[in-house]
Formats: sequence, structure tokens, C-alpha cells
Amino acid sequence: AQKITQTQPGMFVQEKEAVTLDCTYDTSDPSYGLFWYKQPSSGEMIFLIYQGSYDQQNATEGRYSLNFQKARKSANLVISASQLGDSAMYFCAMREGAGTASKLTFGTGTRLQVTL
Amino acid sequence: EPEVTQTPSHQVTQMGQEVILRCVPISNHLYFYWYRQILGQKVEFLVSFYNNEISEKSEIFDDQFSVERPDGSNFTLKIRSTKLEDSAMYFCASSEVEGFSNQPQHFGDGTRLSIL
Repeated sequence: AQKITQTQPGMFVQEKEAVTLDCTYDTSDPSYGLFWYKQPSSGEMIFLIYQGSYDQQNATEGRYSLNFQKARKSANLVISASQLGDSAMYFCAMREGAGTASKLTFGTGTRLQVTL
Repeated sequence: EPEVTQTPSHQVTQMGQEVILRCVPISNHLYFYWYRQILGQKVEFLVSFYNNEISEKSEIFDDQFSVERPDGSNFTLKIRSTKLEDSAMYFCASSEVEGFSNQPQHFGDGTRLSIL
């Protein structure tokens, strides 16, 4: 079974609108962390936001927020007020275990295109 | 803001040749990683490194691969005899070790390796 599933290969959103990128995960470890990274066409990986399995509140970072539904094992990224510069690939990733050193397992990504 | 630096940005190599990819992690980070991303695919974990030894490696990281921290700042990935299927973007990442797992892995901009 896939540990991270991103079911939307591509999404379109109009500038200034909000968009939700889906991510579901699979783990039996009670301690885990969920991360979202942005990959623009230039190729670099940019960390956006983190949600820990024991965090009581949904994470927020500026225009990014994470809709964390633990029982459903989903960690959807919400981007508010989309900008043209948000056009990129977005990857959801998971780290299992309590340590900071564990590897990240990535999903297949969602390509977001912001239109005028 | 401190960042992970990778060189070169693009490496073209003949099949069968050895290649060394170089990384300078963030200076106070203690865990180092290599990931790769074949064009159009998801990011895959290769190896993690801590305290001058490999912590974890994936099935991809076979005997053709090795990692080294030759001095206090550099972290290298060597591929001994490159194959066509080694063509990919290789990312170096680093993270702090600080209690629980909310520390993200910070990625470099990647080295695009092309095997001819």
C-alpha cells in the first residue's frame, strides 16, 4: 500500500481563489509528521508547512494551512488567495517515528496551475 | 537564511563513469540525506547519515552508491559506475536533531545528473 497518496495529478485555480490539495497517508506508527513541499519549475524543493500527529490544532503558515483529519488519515493543504507564483508541483510527505532523523516518504505530487 | 548548497547544478557523464555529487548542509545540522527524483516522478529516499555513518538506506542505494563526509562541511554522494537509469535530479537535505519531529528537512536546489 502507498504510504502517501495524492489523487490529484493536476489542479487549476483562479488567481485570488482558495484551493485544496489532497493528501492521505497510511501508517501504524502513532508518532509521525506530515510535510508539504513546493517544487517550482526551477526544480528546488521548498518546505511549506508541517503537522505533527499529536498536534491539537491545524497548522498554519501565512497563506498555507493544513486541514488535518487524523481519523481519516488526511492532511490536505489549503492555499488561500492564490497567486500566479503558486503555480508549481506540490508534494505531501510523511516522516514516521518520533525522531527527527527518519526519512521522508513522498507522494506523487499535484501540479497546481494558477490562472488569471 | 542558511541554506543547503549543492554542486554542480548539472552534471553530464558517460555511462560507466564515476560521479561525485557534492553538498554543503546547513552548518548546525547533524542529519544528512540524499534523495533522487527521476524526471516526472516522485522524490525517493536514498540514504540518511548521522555521526559519520549511514543511519538508513533504501533498496536503491546499492553497492554502486556511497556517501562520505570528508570534512566538517561537505557531504558527498558517489556513484561508482553510472547507468542510464541513474539519470535523475539528486537532492541533498539536512535537518537539526532537536527532540520531536517537527523539524523539516531542508533541501538543496538539486543536481541534475544526465547519463549518456
